[in-house]
Amino acid sequence: ETGVTQTPRHLVMGMTNKKSLKCEQHLGHNAMYWYKQSAKKPLELMFVYNFKEQTENNSVPSRFSPECPNSSHLFLHLHTLQPEDSALYLCASSQPPNTEAFFGQGTRLTVV
Amino acid sequence: DAKTTQPPSMDCAEGRAANLPCNHSTISGNEYVYWYRQIHSQGPQYIIHGLKNNETNEMASLIITEDRKSSTLILPHATLRDTAVYYCIVAPREAAGNKLTFGGGTRVLVKP
Repeated sequence: ETGVTQTPRHLVMGMTNKKSLKCEQHLGHNAMYWYKQSAKKPLELMFVYNFKEQTENNSVPSRFSPECPNSSHLFLHLHTLQPEDSALYLCASSQPPNTEAFFGQGTRLTVV
Repeated sequence: DAKTTQPPSMDCAEGRAANLPCNHSTISGNEYVYWYRQIHSQGPQYIIHGLKNNETNEMASLIITEDRKSSTLILPHATLRDTAVYYCIVAPREAAGNKLTFGGGTRVLVKP
């Protein structure tokens, strides 16, 4: 238990569906992140939020839409995904200015 | 960010010490060495970090060479549950977690 909880753990969705991934952290951190990990590839940083403000978007397609309503919650809204978007999506949090990040267990997404 | 070089894989015997090397010859003066591990299909787990002194916690020890161009993570008594991919990362200490860039890591297999 890292203090970062992601739901759901597994998700199968069609290319025309809309779904959302949820992340909640109980660590009092003020920075939250979405990472993507495709099969046999390193983790790729997608989005960064600091104090609820998006501070980094690493050229992520618009079919991925993040939302950070408060410092404890982070969502990733998904729509019209492609099969190549199938991956493990990981949420993490940290407390600025410290660098150590704590990760959730991830959501295994399969797009069919 | 400075890059790191790690062997792609290594085996170690259960109950023995596991020594995981990492080269970071271009590390900057303000960058720390961080170690994370990722057990299969789970989120990365923070292990330890250091600047120039050796560090030890309940999980591992970190030995950094005097010139800071390389380091070794030591798991003192490896167990089967230590089987994972281990990532060595260099990043500024006082920065948001978005400075964590994951490479390929070392796939460690602990054998009975």
